[in-house]
Amino acid sequence: DTGVSQDPRHKITKRGQNVTFRCDPISEHNRLYWYRQTLGQGPEFLTYFQNEAQLEKSRLLSDRFSAERPKGSFSTLEIQRTEQGDSAMYLCASSPGLADTGELFFGEGSRLTVL
Amino acid sequence: EDQVTQSPEALRLQEGESSSLNCSYTVSGLRGLFWYRQDPGKGPEFLFTLYSAGEEKEKERLKATLTKKESFLHITAPKPEDSATYLCALNGYKLSFGAGTTVTVRA
Repeated sequence: DTGVSQDPRHKITKRGQNVTFRCDPISEHNRLYWYRQTLGQGPEFLTYFQNEAQLEKSRLLSDRFSAERPKGSFSTLEIQRTEQGDSAMYLCASSPGLADTGELFFGEGSRLTVL
Repeated sequence: EDQVTQSPEALRLQEGESSSLNCSYTVSGLRGLFWYRQDPGKGPEFLFTLYSAGEEKEKERLKATLTKKESFLHITAPKPEDSATYLCALNGYKLSFGAGTTVTVRA
């Protein structure tokens, strides 16, 4: 399977714990994105990378959130001191090249439940 | 600020019963309107890009159209496998998504 891969698919944690999600994009894709989706809503943009550079972060991304993409390959999204409001599906997507086409390839997501 | 409103929220169809989904938008400068399909528990899957009013795109039983204020996704003679949530979104990588229309097609 050469699609976008996310791990873990499901994570249940207690409030205050730290969690980390991993995303492996399609291998030749330069751009990598993180989105968050809550039940009944469309995905919301969090941040994106062009290769290893993080070029934009949404104001939704509080100081408790950090994302990295070392060496421009896989990416991690860490949430520190989780809160119940962080419960959501975290979606990773990638796209090829430098053009801003809006055609993104999404992974199946990592569902976070904060108790 | 870009805004996308989709209607209806849910649509139940009988197999073969054609219908349309609406996506109303406001944007300062349209750089593309996108339709995605999302199955339960999965990430969205890209369907179409529309760039200018009057443009149309087709794929199997789906046809997307665009005006200056709205886009429509027409589903012709739907089958149960067309059941999904259909999302529209605006502009490039920092997509502004609507909440989606959940379509259920009964056999």
